[in-house]
Amino acid sequence: GAVVSQHPSRVICKSGTSVKIECRSLDFQATTMFWYRQFPKQSLMLMATSNEGSKATYEQGVEKDKFLINHASLTLSTLTVTSAHPEDSSFYICSARDPQGRTSHQPQHFGDGTRLSIL
Amino acid sequence: AQKVTQAQTEISVVEKEDVTLDCVYETRDTTYYLFWYKQPPSGELVFLIRRNSFDEQNEISGRYSWNFQKSTSSFNFTITASQVVDSAVYFCALFTYNTDKLIFGTGTRLQVFP
Repeated sequence: GAVVSQHPSRVICKSGTSVKIECRSLDFQATTMFWYRQFPKQSLMLMATSNEGSKATYEQGVEKDKFLINHASLTLSTLTVTSAHPEDSSFYICSARDPQGRTSHQPQHFGDGTRLSIL
Repeated sequence: AQKVTQAQTEISVVEKEDVTLDCVYETRDTTYYLFWYKQPPSGELVFLIRRNSFDEQNEISGRYSWNFQKSTSSFNFTITASQVVDSAVYFCALFTYNTDKLIFGTGTRLQVFP
């Protein structure tokens, strides 16, 4: 089945640090990937849609300069939280669109998430 | 607008009890997909089921069953004879062609006590 790998699984760093999170599709090419954020005891909120070779589309209220997304290849998208602060602490989950798209049983395949803690 | 409502924030049951998690959705699209995901304490999302808008047949998979009713825009999930390992947060989600996005409900935290 389609597998998405997300790395790292956990990050703890000081305020002001920039943190990069990687999302890889291991056995399929993903032209579109998604980044979600989940605060404790809350739902998953879509942050942005990442398309290979083009600029990401951000959801309303998400700061583009704060959350830099790069999708330079068909198997890798990265999310960089720039100058992270404690309020950026959250659980970040990526997903990749299934190559079969709408006919697939699952339209998206999820990574295992990255728990980011900013001290 | 697309919306998914899971009115039950938290449910606690004792092992072997049956439990139903409610999901109500809103969409103007005639073609859409509904999903249930399980999120254990470790955080990863586990896909449980997909149902498309043209298929109202109920489904059973082991102890899990789903009841889809378009007339009430509901897609409820029942766990029969619950087990401690069922303890997790369960999300209902809606996918439509127009938005091309997965819209998640707020989730229901299920705690199953031994």
